[in-house]
Amino acid sequence: EAQVTQNPRYLITVTGKKLTVTCSQNMNHEYMSWYRQDPGLGLRQIYYSMNVEVTDKGDVPEGYKVSRKEKRNFPLILESPSPNQTSLYFCASSLVPLNTEAFFGQGTRLTVV
Amino acid sequence: DAKTTQPNSMESNEEEPVHLPCNHSTISGTDYIHWYRQLPSQGPEYVIHGLTSNVNNRMASLAIAEDRKSSTLILHRATLRDAAVYYCILRRAGNMLTFGGGTRLMVKP
Repeated sequence: EAQVTQNPRYLITVTGKKLTVTCSQNMNHEYMSWYRQDPGLGLRQIYYSMNVEVTDKGDVPEGYKVSRKEKRNFPLILESPSPNQTSLYFCASSLVPLNTEAFFGQGTRLTVV
Repeated sequence: DAKTTQPNSMESNEEEPVHLPCNHSTISGTDYIHWYRQLPSQGPEYVIHGLTSNVNNRMASLAIAEDRKSSTLILHRATLRDAAVYYCILRRAGNMLTFGGGTRLMVKP
């Protein structure tokens, strides 16, 4: 089954404790992207990647890192989480041709206390 | 910037058609118009896409204006399960998946 898998689905952590949210897709997609979603603010893009070893900033990259060492994986790293990074996070992937659909993970709800 | 403009919210009665509008006046010739929807507590899911011609699939229809500066997503018979936030986006080369605010569709029984 074609899917984008995020882990964990829920996470409560403390300020400053490094964490990684994993994202994996099984569709051989070149493009992957991370978003955060906060009430009333829609989906804001954090980082995206056009292919292996190619990453770029989205609209809200501060406080986040990503890597794309393999095509299927695109982890989101919070080196020193802060309470303002409490949010719902989504990962997405797609092929590069513009007439193809994108697939999204089920989301990771992160709480930083 | 691949910007689209949608109403914040719309309301519909169950079993009636719904027309969700989207303005994209800055569209370029190679941009594809995509629609996604996000059901409560879920990730967005693909609905439909088009370039110039109107499109139909099992979920919805997409009507694209002749000048391509606007489009309309049509749900032929709204059900309670169609209550969601609907996003209209322009997919273009490069950073191809950026979202605007979307339209929250409420369906009344």
